[in-house]
Amino acid sequence: DAKTTQPPSMDCAEGRAANLPCNHSTISGNEYVYWYRQIHSQGPQYIIHGLKNNETNEMASLIITEDRKSSTLILPHATLRDTAVYYCIVRPRFSGGGADGLTFGKGTHLIIQP
Amino acid sequence: DTEVTQTPKHLVMGMTNKKSLKCEQHMGHRAMYWYKQKAKKPPELMFVYSYEKLSINESVPSRFSPECPNSSLLNLHLHALQPEDSALYLCASSLLLGQGANTGELFFGEGSRLTVL
Repeated sequence: DAKTTQPPSMDCAEGRAANLPCNHSTISGNEYVYWYRQIHSQGPQYIIHGLKNNETNEMASLIITEDRKSSTLILPHATLRDTAVYYCIVRPRFSGGGADGLTFGKGTHLIIQP
Repeated sequence: DTEVTQTPKHLVMGMTNKKSLKCEQHMGHRAMYWYKQKAKKPPELMFVYSYEKLSINESVPSRFSPECPNSSLLNLHLHALQPEDSALYLCASSLLLGQGANTGELFFGEGSRLTVL
């Protein structure tokens, strides 16, 4: 899997948009960008993924640059419950039809301030 | 049912004990995973099962023994562990290629927190 670089921590005020950056300059053409988050003492939770187009779901938006070398996860109206470690992961969606798991980097610890 | 259920939630064991962690899912996923997570570190992949067959072993010591008795269950048998094996053990599952609408998403359980004394 290609490597990703994320800031170790970020703060955001409650109610504001949280913008989490991720650099993945060595991403391959068949690799997707996935975002997961892990709230303290819970298992990781899938947020969103994309290949090259911007994506939006009920949790977040994913903006991928045209050259695909970086992306931004946007939580539009952050709440205290969004405090978590956010992981940006790049990987092929299917690896030979089998399963290869996810390789987690260090992620960004997002702290939502009241 | 979109849950991965792990039991027990907490386990304390001595270095000479034998214990097992259990993971169950009823989403029809044919890939299942074990991860280990130390405090303030990201999860690390240990084992992957595809169609109930071990497909990936990330050089895990033999004191950890995985087992996939059927497509819904995944066990991790523990024997002669060391204090440094104390960690949160996470189970996950996912669809495999060909299994319908597959986004590549992994579904994680809440984990079993293991303390080895």
